[in-house]
Amino acid sequence: EPEVTQTPSHQVTQMGQEVILRCVPISNHLYFYWYRQILGQKVEFLVSFYNNEISEKSEIFDDQFSVERPDGSNFTLKIRSTKLEDSAMYFCASSEYGQAPQTQYFGPGTRLLVL
Amino acid sequence: AQSVAQPEDQVNVAEGNPLTVKCTYSVSGNPYLFWYVQYPNRGLQFLLKYITGDNLVKGSYGFEAEFNKSQTSFHLKKPSALVSDSALYFCAVKDYKLSFGAGTTVTVRA
Repeated sequence: EPEVTQTPSHQVTQMGQEVILRCVPISNHLYFYWYRQILGQKVEFLVSFYNNEISEKSEIFDDQFSVERPDGSNFTLKIRSTKLEDSAMYFCASSEYGQAPQTQYFGPGTRLLVL
Repeated sequence: AQSVAQPEDQVNVAEGNPLTVKCTYSVSGNPYLFWYVQYPNRGLQFLLKYITGDNLVKGSYGFEAEFNKSQTSFHLKKPSALVSDSALYFCAVKDYKLSFGAGTTVTVRA
């Protein structure tokens, strides 16, 4: 069964450093998402991406965040200058295109720790 | 804004007993409702969804959910719980994104 994969599974970085989180969505999916889950809090939407551009973003997704689909398979989230409060589990998700609300399938997550 | 609420932080049941995880929703328009499960150190796994049609939705691993419009609820159920069902369960509502509830930790004791 196809699944979303994410690398790395864990990342430790120093405050102010740049990090890139990588995701490989399910191959025939056209919508891509990033969510995050701060420890003990709800899963929160960050951004959605379709047709090589951002379709929606939350207020969390400020100028320090960016997303990119550098090739036909990868989808990345970059945090330019990490802050302590960026420590969280980051989930990538993908879904098919369709009229009806499509199911989003999630990867296993990357646990980011900013020191 | 669309939202869901999961009123119980924890649910404890004995193996073989029925399991219910509660969710209520607040939406404008038609609700598109989902249940996901998260096992330790794993991602969110899709269980089932309600878009339209039958109020009883069947999903993976023997789970089902009942959509109740008058009570604005979408409770997750399993007739006979297994120890392996112990996990964190999330209800979510979808517009252009998923908005998740806070999650309910289910513990099934042998």
